[in-house]
Amino acid sequence: DSGVTQTPKHLITATGQRVTLRCSPRSGDLSVYWYQQSLDQGLQFLIQYYNGEERAKGNILERFSAQQFPDLHSELNLSSLELGDSALYFCASSPWTGAETQYFGPGTRLLVL
Amino acid sequence: EDKVVQSPLSLVVHEGDTVTLNCSYEVTNFRSLLWYKQEKKAPTFLFMLTSSGIEKKSGRLSSILDKKELFSILNITATQTGDSAIYLCAVDSGANSKLTFGKGITLSVRP
Repeated sequence: DSGVTQTPKHLITATGQRVTLRCSPRSGDLSVYWYQQSLDQGLQFLIQYYNGEERAKGNILERFSAQQFPDLHSELNLSSLELGDSALYFCASSPWTGAETQYFGPGTRLLVL
Repeated sequence: EDKVVQSPLSLVVHEGDTVTLNCSYEVTNFRSLLWYKQEKKAPTFLFMLTSSGIEKKSGRLSSILDKKELFSILNITATQTGDSAIYLCAVDSGANSKLTFGKGITLSVRP
């Protein structure tokens, strides 16, 4: 158990809908990262927040957004969902930005029908 | 664009065999290379390598980095069925620790 929690574990929704994935980092970690893992693309970095501020952006679609709250939990919002958004979404945390070792949460499996 | 390539894509071995998993990379600002093991859920951290030629070892697993040739290998000796997993290689290439992952190597260890 890494200490990173994610909810929900599973999510099934329809195309065109919007969902919110939630992540609580390890106690004391200020940095949160979001990743998407699909069968064909592997694990892809989406976005990073540090202490409430966006720090780095990866291959994140415009339909997706994220934020980190004052209590350091983070939410990833996915809107206008498409079939291709079906994937495992991981959150990871690290103590500070620049810390190489990231600890991954258990993931949220999203299925868009 | 940063790139990490792992090979082979999948591997089937028998218990007791030794396996070598490969990872090559092309990144703009190398900081470190990390190996993760992913079973059914989240990737779990195995090793972080920052210096060339230094071997990191943990039990039957070991890894080495060659910064000149831009690759790393992960060795597993005396494999067990519990080693069956996807092994992910990632490179940290920026001040914000953006990790670029390879697509992973699926290892199956048969009894």
